[in-house]
Amino acid sequence: AQTVTQSQPEMSVQEAETVTLSCTYDTSESDYYLFWYKQPPSRQMILVIRQEAYKQQNATENRFSVNFQKAAKSFSLKISDSQLGDAAMYFCAWVNTGKLIFGQGTTLQVKP
Amino acid sequence: DAGITQSPRHKVTETGTPVTLRCHQTENHRYMYWYRQDPGHGLRLIHYSYGVKDTDKGEVSDGYSVSRSKTEDFLLTLESATSSQTSVYFCAISEQVRTNTEAFFGQGTRLTVV
Repeated sequence: AQTVTQSQPEMSVQEAETVTLSCTYDTSESDYYLFWYKQPPSRQMILVIRQEAYKQQNATENRFSVNFQKAAKSFSLKISDSQLGDAAMYFCAWVNTGKLIFGQGTTLQVKP
Repeated sequence: DAGITQSPRHKVTETGTPVTLRCHQTENHRYMYWYRQDPGHGLRLIHYSYGVKDTDKGEVSDGYSVSRSKTEDFLLTLESATSSQTSVYFCAISEQVRTNTEAFFGQGTRLTVV
């Protein structure tokens, strides 16, 4: 069975600094997608970034980038120049042919 | 915003009563999902659907059933609600073709079983 693990329940970062959120997953599939979603206090789920497993190049979206290590089944999210609006819960997710699995989430606090 | 709505948004029910939550989409997406969100557990998959009348179990399916008789509607039923099913429930939809794999979420339903 596929699993997604986020081992950091809470993280904090100083405004304008960089923070990395960790995610590992377990699957026997070779083709899949990985995502990071953000959930602010409004409970809305917002896609931050996506990575296709067959692409070796790490995805980037403005201040957000990932470090995708397929062999190690690791998918970390780096947030650069952290802003107060980045404070939220972040979920790592895995999907392949329908099944969409999420990790336990990491709550990110941004300190002014 | 993707057209996905959940109803009701809030519900309080008594232990042992049946409860049905509805997810409605206007995007014609193939996949639909039900999750529950609890502190410390993140989003856990209850059931999902990959087409009309095609459903499969997730990681926490015990005590829940689903039905999808139309593309646009995915119903989650708690046959006999228990206090452990008090949670926030999210519906999600996805098309999952090569270039459009993003999942879109409803606003959530807060269910309290007393």
